[in-house]
Amino acid sequence: QVQLVESGGGVVQPGRSLRLSCAGSGFTFSKAGFHWVRQAPGKGLEWVAVIWYDGSRKHYADSVKGRFTISRDDLKNTVYLQMNSVRGEDTAVYYCVATGTIDSWGQGTLVTVSS
Amino acid sequence: QSALTQPPSASGTPGQTVTISCSGITSNIGSNTVNWYQQFPGAAPKVLVYTDNQRPSGVPDRFFGSRSGTSASLAISGLQSEDEADYYCVAWDDSLNGWVFGGGTKLTVL
Repeated sequence: QVQLVESGGGVVQPGRSLRLSCAGSGFTFSKAGFHWVRQAPGKGLEWVAVIWYDGSRKHYADSVKGRFTISRDDLKNTVYLQMNSVRGEDTAVYYCVATGTIDSWGQGTLVTVSS
Repeated sequence: QSALTQPPSASGTPGQTVTISCSGITSNIGSNTVNWYQQFPGAAPKVLVYTDNQRPSGVPDRFFGSRSGTSASLAISGLQSEDEADYYCVAWDDSLNGWVFGGGTKLTVL
């Protein structure tokens, strides 16, 4: 059974950094690509970033490009989202998604950017 | 403004069929398959339809997805009160090199 567990969310001040983690189990982690998707309070889903199964390609939404970095550690079965220079508009629930024939979503972790 | 266009709301009475549209362009829906997600308040999105028209195990065949040209749609037949939720379409965009989502459709069962 595929399971994705996000962690690392919390309250962070504007301009500071935060790192989100997504631990996967129940599937061949090294063969999956991963996305981060976020949802601001009361809003729709917004794609944030993607990393290829082999880490060879990474792409970002314009809204986070240059500030966020996606990475993976296949030895730890974990995907990361390093969030730097956070802004109020980054406040959202962040979901980790593993791609496959059928995509699998985690339960999300809430990031609140506030002074 | 979302890259894919969905109606913000839809409604129907129990037993009716409701269709939710999702409009894109050549670089996304015109070139790639579409997934549909169902989301209840406070919960993570759930895959309802993948690869245009495939249903994961456990999803009733009342949910039917289709894609043609640069548009896709989700039809829900035999509407039930438990279908009241938010529905999102998503597709890969070859120009943006990322996923593009629809703005979401809030389905109300009257």
